[in-house]
Amino acid sequence: AQTVTQSQPEMSVQEAETVTLSCTYDTSESNYYLFWYKQPPSRQMILVIRQEAYKQQNATENRFSVNFQKAAKSFSLKISDSQLGDTAMYFCAFMSPQGGSEKLVFGKGTKLTVNP
Amino acid sequence: ETGVTQSPTHLIKTRGQQVTLRCSSQSGHNTVSWYQQALGQGPQFIFQYYREEENGRGNFPPRFSGLQFPNYSSELNVNALELDDSALYLCASSRDLLWETQYFGPGTRLLVL
Repeated sequence: AQTVTQSQPEMSVQEAETVTLSCTYDTSESNYYLFWYKQPPSRQMILVIRQEAYKQQNATENRFSVNFQKAAKSFSLKISDSQLGDTAMYFCAFMSPQGGSEKLVFGKGTKLTVNP
Repeated sequence: ETGVTQSPTHLIKTRGQQVTLRCSSQSGHNTVSWYQQALGQGPQFIFQYYREEENGRGNFPPRFSGLQFPNYSSELNVNALELDDSALYLCASSRDLLWETQYFGPGTRLLVL
């Protein structure tokens, strides 16, 4: 079974600085998808960024970028120029085409606090 | 474009009761997935529906059941509620089974007393 591990339960960063959230996963498959979702205190889960495993280029979305290391099964999220609105729980998630259903497997999350 | 909506937002039930949670998919989406998120945890996959048929189920007992309607809205039913069923229930919709991104609703917070 696939597993996703986020080893940092909580992190904090000063506004305008850069922070990196870690995620590792375990799978025997070669084709899969990885996601970072953000869940602010208002609780609605929002997609931050998505990475297809077959793409070597790391995904970027404005201030958010990933460092995808397929061999190491690592998928970290870098947030540049942190803003107060980035304060949230961040979940790393894995999806594989195997088995038919498109289920997301989530890590336990990292609580990020951006301080003024 | 209308996003994913869920109702109710909060619900309090007692042990042994039954509950129905509702989800409306984002416009153009025909796949709905349900997740349970216990306090302080990541969401856990309950099941998925595609074009009104169940398309995969997580490690949840049969008292968790679902439906998807022709308009692709969905229901999650939980019978014989237990205290451990207290959680945030999230619905997510996506388009076809093309490994596209799932978009989440705001969730229903269920408290079982």
